Amino acid sequence: AQSVTQLGSHVSVSEGALVLLRCNYSSSVPPYLFWYVQYPNQGLQLLLKYTTGATLVKGINGFEAEFKKSETSFHLTKPSAHMSDAAEYFCAVTRTGTASKLTFGTGTRLQVTL
Amino acid sequence: GAGVSQTPSNKVTEKGKYVELRCDPISGHTALYWYRQSLGQGPEFLIYFQGTGAADDSGLPNDRFFAVRPEGSVSTLKIQRTERGDSAVYLCASSLNPSDTEAFFGQGTRLTVV
Repeated sequence: AQSVTQLGSHVSVSEGALVLLRCNYSSSVPPYLFWYVQYPNQGLQLLLKYTTGATLVKGINGFEAEFKKSETSFHLTKPSAHMSDAAEYFCAVTRTGTASKLTFGTGTRLQVTL
Repeated sequence: GAGVSQTPSNKVTEKGKYVELRCDPISGHTALYWYRQSLGQGPEFLIYFQGTGAADDSGLPNDRFFAVRPEGSVSTLKIQRTERGDSAVYLCASSLNPSDTEAFFGQGTRLTVV
């Protein structure tokens, strides 16, 4: 069985500050990991994914995440927050490497303040 | 349309009634997924179609839930004898091929059972 745990249901940062959203996974097989973002009144959008290869993954809108097997983590970061980053972020895991049967975390709502 | 379309966007029904939720995937996408997102939770997998057939329906909670995709494009999620616990946002996603790592999500149908 696989699962992901997102620490912090709400995170607030100032505009220009570092964004760090935490995700830890549990998987009995090598995991494939994803971060999705959900803006208000919009569908989920893929930010980035780790399948194989380089453990530091870069995504859209300046976000990146690093797969750390020793820490079973896949934290999402962005060096400088922008007001437009305010949204809900979901970490997800699958054992197939494809978009089928994703297991999502409970989400982290990011607030960006002036 | 360019994206995944779900109708209706909102549905209120009485306990015990039957409902149908529709998903129009992106044209040409062969894989289609249904997820359910309860309040404060991440999306939970329900069922996955490859073409017309259900490749994995292990996420359907019980036999009141059924989904079809008769022509390999539009899909309908059917819920019989609705219960208040069925209230959630039902998300549909599609991908070009089953092997793709990115799925494109619709905005969802918010189902409220009163």
